Amino acid sequence: DAGITQSPRYKITETGRQVTLMCHQTWSHSYMFWYRQDLGHGLRLIYYSAAADITDKGEVPDGYVVSRSKTENFPLTLESATRSQTSVYFCASTSGYGNTIYFGEGSWLTVV
Amino acid sequence: AQKITQTQPGMFVQEKEAVTLDCTYDTSDPSYGLFWYKQPSSGEMIFLIYQGSYDQQNATEGRYSLNFQKARKSANLVISASQLGDSAMYFCAIESGSARQLTFGSGTQLTVLP
Repeated sequence: DAGITQSPRYKITETGRQVTLMCHQTWSHSYMFWYRQDLGHGLRLIYYSAAADITDKGEVPDGYVVSRSKTENFPLTLESATRSQTSVYFCASTSGYGNTIYFGEGSWLTVV
Repeated sequence: AQKITQTQPGMFVQEKEAVTLDCTYDTSDPSYGLFWYKQPSSGEMIFLIYQGSYDQQNATEGRYSLNFQKARKSANLVISASQLGDSAMYFCAIESGSARQLTFGSGTQLTVLP
């Protein structure tokens, strides 16, 4: 029962580099999400997807790109990492309204 | 737009006692859901309990119950018989919108004292 997994779990990268965070879920959930959590704060939505090939911006999408060619995968790419993107990134998924929204273990990203 | 307010940045409770964590929300959607998540120091987000806006009864899951007062727009989490392992950050969140996205509060850090 793998559930929802993220990789890498920990990453240090340099300013200006491209970084991709992977998210994979085994439940065939329609909805997937990317959130970021900054120190001492709640989670903020970056991007979400209601189904394969359907994505939309959340509250803080600038500097990020997503794709969803397969239902089970939802990668998040930082095209040119900046220090302000140092954060913990959480992927989440759900089958729909009224159902539990499950989170991955988080990816700790540091941009130096 | 949706908003969640958690007014207690930190709380302390004695082991085996009950504790209430406050959450108020604001939304214009007629249909929404309220979630509580626990985030221990290890960082993962653990689902605790869910309440739909049309649910007539308050949700319960083991030692967790949700005191849902729709008219007051509040969804307080009650933890009965606190345990040391309950020490963590607790987040309230509202689910709304066509894609079921969550809006989170700023969290309450709960510390259970032996």
